[in-house]
Amino acid sequence: LQLVESGGNLIQPGKSLRLSCTASGFSFNDYAMQWVRQAPGKGLEWVAGISWNGDDERYADSVKGRFTISRDNAENSLSLQMNSLRVDDTAVYYCAKGSSWEVRVPRMDAWGQGTTVIVSS
Amino acid sequence: EIVLTQSPVTLSLSPGDSATLTCRASQSVSSFYLAWYQQKPGQSPRLLIFGAGSRASGIPERFSGTASETDFTLTISRLEPEDFAVYYCQFSGSSITFGGGTKVEI
Repeated sequence: LQLVESGGNLIQPGKSLRLSCTASGFSFNDYAMQWVRQAPGKGLEWVAGISWNGDDERYADSVKGRFTISRDNAENSLSLQMNSLRVDDTAVYYCAKGSSWEVRVPRMDAWGQGTTVIVSS
Repeated sequence: EIVLTQSPVTLSLSPGDSATLTCRASQSVSSFYLAWYQQKPGQSPRLLIFGAGSRASGIPERFSGTASETDFTLTISRLEPEDFAVYYCQFSGSSITFGGGTKVEI
């Protein structure tokens, strides 16, 4: 099982960025997926989650209205479209596999290595 | 929204000691949706315990978890050098919440 994130970059406040996560080694379309971030020196913060078929999306209040999670089950990929980026969005962004099909996953049983987003002028 | 408070923030121990980490929820929650993760410096988090007391695949028996309605405990018996890390609890409700973490240091 492998999750590989990409798309992280240094970007100016107010700009947009799209992160991707490519999954392999499991039946991607059977499981919900999550994005979790970690600001430098800080703890883990859940960002967004999506159900197995994309019908249910949920977001942390801190990103609601700015970020959009999506998935392409045909391509085994997960995305996070981040708009109106702020300095406090600076973090390592992890994609994580949920243990069930619904967004409210009991646990996240596999994590990618993370991709770094730095929002700075 | 459920708030998870982990204590202590830092635990200073020696190899061979036992560690007891606590995660307190702001209201009664189902242990089915409670999990613990380990994160070492420069690495991604790793699932340790789920359903409050079940070990994830490959996790040594020295890791165990217990649960009540609001209090969840992760115990590491006989600390090994590789166990010194940061530990997070996590609850899934209408949104997903992490505790602030406990650093187990030498």
